[in-house]
Amino acid sequence: SQQGEEDPQALSIQEGENATMNCSYKTSINNLQWYRQNSGRGLVHLILIRSNEREKHSGRLRVTLDTSKKSSSLLITASRAADTASYFCATASYTDKLIFGTGTRLQVFP
Amino acid sequence: KAGVTQTPRYLIKTRGQQVTLSCSPISGHRSVSWYQQTPGQGLQFLFEYFSETQRNKGNFPGRFSGRQFSNSRSEMNVSTLELGDSALYLCASSSPGQGALNYGYTFGSGTRLTVV
Repeated sequence: SQQGEEDPQALSIQEGENATMNCSYKTSINNLQWYRQNSGRGLVHLILIRSNEREKHSGRLRVTLDTSKKSSSLLITASRAADTASYFCATASYTDKLIFGTGTRLQVFP
Repeated sequence: KAGVTQTPRYLIKTRGQQVTLSCSPISGHRSVSWYQQTPGQGLQFLFEYFSETQRNKGNFPGRFSGRQFSNSRSEMNVSTLELGDSALYLCASSSPGQGALNYGYTFGSGTRLTVV
């Protein structure tokens, strides 16, 4: 079963533009994490935001979390062609199990 | 330090056969989780092991099983393979004792299983 649904399913932008992806989930969480996956490879952990945090930054990444709406967003600023990948949100409940969303495919054109 | 190592990278099996996949976590990581990724179902949680004990289990049939050894290496086994078992199987490890509650997971590159 999947906890999160991501929106949009696919996103195409030009280099230099910002990319925003949204994630909605269903149950109470301990934290929410974002991962990147390049073309059928393993996932790379990007950022973790705890349920008592509202916003977190890491380099060009900005993540927000709204627990009242059970939603999160990932903003990538000044996108580069190398950011082309699938992005997944994942929620950790108190059972210490990480459940992934459906993912957003991001294409950044040079 | 070395990352999460999954072997083999690619595997082709025939329906009805069984398969064993291996995962070596990052040194010092005692938690290992397995995921199945398919285009239709996305990333589905299979199971998680910590200190040789299965701590969590997803909604997969009993044909899917796993184990963890004392050195934290883990294997998963799929018996009586079906065409629908074709997928990318991903293994992830996390820091000792804390897992997803405090840290992100480090994933291996996966094993791509094709059942024909």
